[in-house]
Amino acid sequence: EAGVTQFPSHSVIEKGQTVTLRCDPISGHDNLYWYRRVMGKEIKFLLHFVKESKQDESGMPNNRFLAERTGGTYSTLKVQPAELEDSGVYFCASSQDRTGVLPTDTQYFGPGTRLTVL
Amino acid sequence: AQSVTQLGSHVSVSEGALVLLRCNYSSSVPPYLFWYVQYPNQGLQLLLKYTSAATLVKGINGFEAEFKKSETSFHLTKPSAHMSDAAEYFCAVSVVGDAGNMLTFGGGTRLMVKP
Repeated sequence: EAGVTQFPSHSVIEKGQTVTLRCDPISGHDNLYWYRRVMGKEIKFLLHFVKESKQDESGMPNNRFLAERTGGTYSTLKVQPAELEDSGVYFCASSQDRTGVLPTDTQYFGPGTRLTVL
Repeated sequence: AQSVTQLGSHVSVSEGALVLLRCNYSSSVPPYLFWYVQYPNQGLQLLLKYTSAATLVKGINGFEAEFKKSETSFHLTKPSAHMSDAAEYFCAVSVVGDAGNMLTFGGGTRLMVKP
C-alpha cells in the first residue's frame, strides 16, 4: 500500500512569489491534515479536511494560505504571496476514521515539503 | 488547550545503553498520547500510542512508554539503544473535541547513538 506522498520535496522561491504544495493521501483515507514545522520550533497543525470539507482550519496563519481538496482525494496548499517567515517543512498526514473526530485515529505522515523563501 | 513539553532537544547515548526520552503533557480533558519517529529524509512514523486501554504501551522496534496521570508524563524508553535508533522523536497529544483530532506536538528530541 502506497503511503502519503508529497510534491515537491523541496521548493526554493523568492519573497512575493506563489508556491503550491501537493499531498496525496493514502487511498481510502477520508481525513487529510496539513502541519508545518518552522526551523527550531515544534510541528504545528494548520488544517484538517474530512473528504472535501474543512473540518478545522484554526491553525492557518493568515489569508495568504489557501488549502483545497477538490473531490476529496489529493489536496493542495497554496501560499500567495510567500513571505520569509513561511519557510519551513510542510507535512501532510491522512487517517481513516470517517467521522473525523476520533482522537485515537492514527495519522500517517508524508515525508514533507521543505519550503525556502529567499 | 493542550500542550506537550519534551525535555532535552538532544539526547546522546551509547550503543546498548538505556534510552529515555521525556514527554510531559498538559490537558484539561483525558488525553491520547503518541510517539512518532522521523528518520532522515522520511516522514513521521508512529512508534506507539496511548488510547486509555493500558498505561504501559509497547510499540515497534522495542520501544515502550508508560502513561502516568499523576505525573502528566508519557516517557519513551528502550532498554538497549541501537545505532539505527538515531533519529528525531516527537511526542504528541490529541483530545476529544468538536473540531476534530488535531495533534499537538512537542518540540522534538534528536537521539544520537554513539558506538
